Amino acid sequence: NAGVTQTPKFQVLKTGQSMTLQCAQDMNHNSMYWYRQDPGMGLRLIYYSASEGTTDKGEVPNGYNVSRLNKREFSLRLESAAPSQTSVYFCASSRRVGTGSSYEQYFGPGTRLTVT
Amino acid sequence: EDQVTQSPEALRLQEGESSSLNCSYTVSGLRGLFWYRQDPGKGPEFLFTLYSAGEEKEKERLKATLTKKESFLHITAPKPEDSATYLCAVGEETSGSRLTFGEGTQLTVNP
Repeated sequence: NAGVTQTPKFQVLKTGQSMTLQCAQDMNHNSMYWYRQDPGMGLRLIYYSASEGTTDKGEVPNGYNVSRLNKREFSLRLESAAPSQTSVYFCASSRRVGTGSSYEQYFGPGTRLTVT
Repeated sequence: EDQVTQSPEALRLQEGESSSLNCSYTVSGLRGLFWYRQDPGKGPEFLFTLYSAGEEKEKERLKATLTKKESFLHITAPKPEDSATYLCAVGEETSGSRLTFGEGTQLTVNP
């Protein structure tokens, strides 16, 4: 039981390049999330998927797109990377609210992205 | 708009010196308050969920409490391995399963 896995662990991009961050969970969770974490800013929600087939914008969605590929996988794409997107990116998953179960989020190990 | 404020930003303790971390929150309807631990270079690790005022949860040297406006994470007789950043997050009734995180308290426990 690996929990939440993310690839790659590290990435360096040049301005304007594109890339996709991959995330997978094996806990049978309905909901998945992408956050970025910057010094002094805390964790900020980029996009989330409440359930398979749905995605919604979070607090800081500009410059990003997401795909909920299936129940297990949720990817984050940077179409044209900018230095302001240098950050640590975390994927998380949780049960869906309203099922009678607790809905704490479980996080992956993160991807450290540098855009030069 | 949901707000979560953690204090202090950083805390240094000697091994065995008990203390508390604070998480103040403003939400229109609290669905849950969550505590996480984050080690350098790692993702946040879930510790506790509190749902209603007066509730308490314990795990080893950690005890979390909740009132209508704030939560405390009490650390009793800390050890160096308790050094980490502790994050607080709130879920609001109309926000589904989304959480709003505070910026965290960086705890250092010296031997």
